[in-house]
Amino acid sequence: RKEVEQDPGPFNVPEGATVAFNCTYSNSASQSFFWYRQDCRKEPKLLMSVYSSGNEDGRFTAQLNRASQYISLLIRDSKLSDSATYLCVVNGGNQFYFGTGTSLTVIP
Amino acid sequence: SAVISQKPSRDICQRGTSLTIQCQVDSQVTMMFWYRQQPGQSLTLIATANQGSEATYESGFVIDKFPISRPNLTFSTLTVSNMSPEDSSIYLCSCWDPEYNEQFFGPGTRLTVL
Repeated sequence: RKEVEQDPGPFNVPEGATVAFNCTYSNSASQSFFWYRQDCRKEPKLLMSVYSSGNEDGRFTAQLNRASQYISLLIRDSKLSDSATYLCVVNGGNQFYFGTGTSLTVIP
Repeated sequence: SAVISQKPSRDICQRGTSLTIQCQVDSQVTMMFWYRQQPGQSLTLIATANQGSEATYESGFVIDKFPISRPNLTFSTLTVSNMSPEDSSIYLCSCWDPEYNEQFFGPGTRLTVL
């Protein structure tokens, strides 16, 4: 079983739509959780960390459900510039585990 | 935050040769990692580069094929040895800043093996 599993998509949504990505992880001892964004031919960059209480950054909301071992990312009012691959990342000790990424394309 | 540079940014190599990729961080970091990302795929951890000791390799990766050096807290190299076309990929250097609990990535090295 993979450490981190994501729906690879692709998700094609119109501008202004709300889209949600989910990710599950297998190690209940995992300590830190993140969403990274990777643009085509670029390196991944941190979008936001995910906290147990849930956190919001503008149009982006991340949530963690430890009991069910999943994290989610909600993007509201999608913009064309949101088109990218979104990587779920889980940290256990000194190891970072990456999901396969979910591809999002926002269509005009 | 940490800024990471890698070189070369890309290379085209012949089968059977070796390429060494350099990774430089602008600050001292505890943890440095090397990843591989094949087209359309996510990142696969090759190894953790340990300062002053041998790297810790993930399953499927061995030191003879991917020797790694980490002479200090700001620099590491990854060598892809005896290359074959299956080694064509993007190789990413990364570091972890525990103060910010964030992992930073270099821009990657795009390797094509003919």
